[in-house]
Amino acid sequence: QQQVKQSPQSLIVQKGGISIINCAYENTAFDYFPWYQQFPGKGPALLIAIRPDVSEKKEGRFTISFNKSAKQFSLHIMDSQPGDSATYFCAASSDNDMRFGAGTRLTVKP
Amino acid sequence: NAGVTQTPKFQVLKTGQSMTLQCAQDMNHNSMYWYRQDPGMGLRLIYYSASEGTTDKGEVPNGYNVSRLNKREFSLRLESAAPSQTSVYFCASRVRDGFSYEQYFGPGTRLTVT
Repeated sequence: QQQVKQSPQSLIVQKGGISIINCAYENTAFDYFPWYQQFPGKGPALLIAIRPDVSEKKEGRFTISFNKSAKQFSLHIMDSQPGDSATYFCAASSDNDMRFGAGTRLTVKP
Repeated sequence: NAGVTQTPKFQVLKTGQSMTLQCAQDMNHNSMYWYRQDPGMGLRLIYYSASEGTTDKGEVPNGYNVSRLNKREFSLRLESAAPSQTSVYFCASRVRDGFSYEQYFGPGTRLTVT
């Protein structure tokens, strides 16, 4: 059973648009929620992360929104750029356990 | 500072062959991890080592063994490769820094079993 469900599987956005990727988790023991960005042929790299005691975290064009009661969180990419084209993974972690979503392939068209 | 390194980058095996994937980190992290990445399934944890001298099973440990050789190195062994083990394998290390459990990933090993 997948503990972290991610949608959509793929997303196409025009340059300058907003990209939104959603995740939901099951285990209430998770207390750290990162997003990873992966380019083809590379390993995932941490993009932004949040703890459940805040509802939103913003870093530049990237924002995580977190809804603890619904056990959902999302990544918003504002002013999306072609260089943002990559696969994005959400994850949920506790002390020695990190579970990943299935990934979203984002394509930003110029 | 190379971060997390993995060897080899690519490997083709025949069914039944064995091999060891090597991973090393130079960030003095205690925890290290092996994941496999398959299309549509994200990253799934195979084994992890919370500290030197300890290893534990993850979600998908069957068919694999690991060795935490020292604080820097964590290897993954396939004793008898099967086509179902065709995947991209990532090693990661982790630091616990305040509220963060940030994981640093290596570049991956693309393994094909025929």
